[in-house]
Amino acid sequence: DIQMTQSPSSLSASVGDRVTITCQASQDISNYLNWYQQKPGKAPKLLIYDASNLETGVPSRFSGSGSGTDFTFTISSLQPEDIATYYCQQYDNLPLLTFGGGTKVEIK
Amino acid sequence: EVQLVESGGVVVQPGGSLRLSCAASGFTFDDYTMHWVRQAPGKGLEWVSLISWDGGSTYYADSVKGRFTISRDNSKNSLYLQMNSLRTEDTALYYCAKGGGTVGKIDYWGQGTLVTVSS
Repeated sequence: DIQMTQSPSSLSASVGDRVTITCQASQDISNYLNWYQQKPGKAPKLLIYDASNLETGVPSRFSGSGSGTDFTFTISSLQPEDIATYYCQQYDNLPLLTFGGGTKVEIK
Repeated sequence: EVQLVESGGVVVQPGGSLRLSCAASGFTFDDYTMHWVRQAPGKGLEWVSLISWDGGSTYYADSVKGRFTISRDNSKNSLYLQMNSLRTEDTALYYCAKGGGTVGKIDYWGQGTLVTVSS
């Protein structure tokens, strides 16, 4: 099974800061990686698909990059409404999907 | 507007059974793969199962294989999850989710229904 390791598990940053989250796969998954945002008490929301493609309607301050085993998710300028937990998810091992453990983002 | 509304979550004893339902609207239901994903209290997301657009193919996480059964009724725009031999570790919020253009992409989620397995 493919394991997805996210880091850090939590972070605290100031409004306007650049925030970076990493996700490492236990084996090569090409670009078969998505990123989701889950605000407190809400369902997850798709932000980035295929490692670097922005889902329609998602603000451009969110971006993703990477391929193979190492991936990065970035918020270019953190906003108060970005407080959430972010998850990566691989789909190289279809039909089985695997999520990372999540990164909780808080405002300093 | 895509809407996914789950129902059926209750408190059930270990070893018991339960059937979750998901009513879908706002898209052509029988064009898409559908998923169940769960989240234990205070924990991360765990993919549970998926079913192809026509119900002909189903897949399960190892943790539920042999105990859970996913199904769909395209005439009713509905998705189901039959849960048998429930364990305390199955306690979670269960989300119904719509597959996107690619099988591995989940582009819409319901608000979830809570299943609590406890004696």
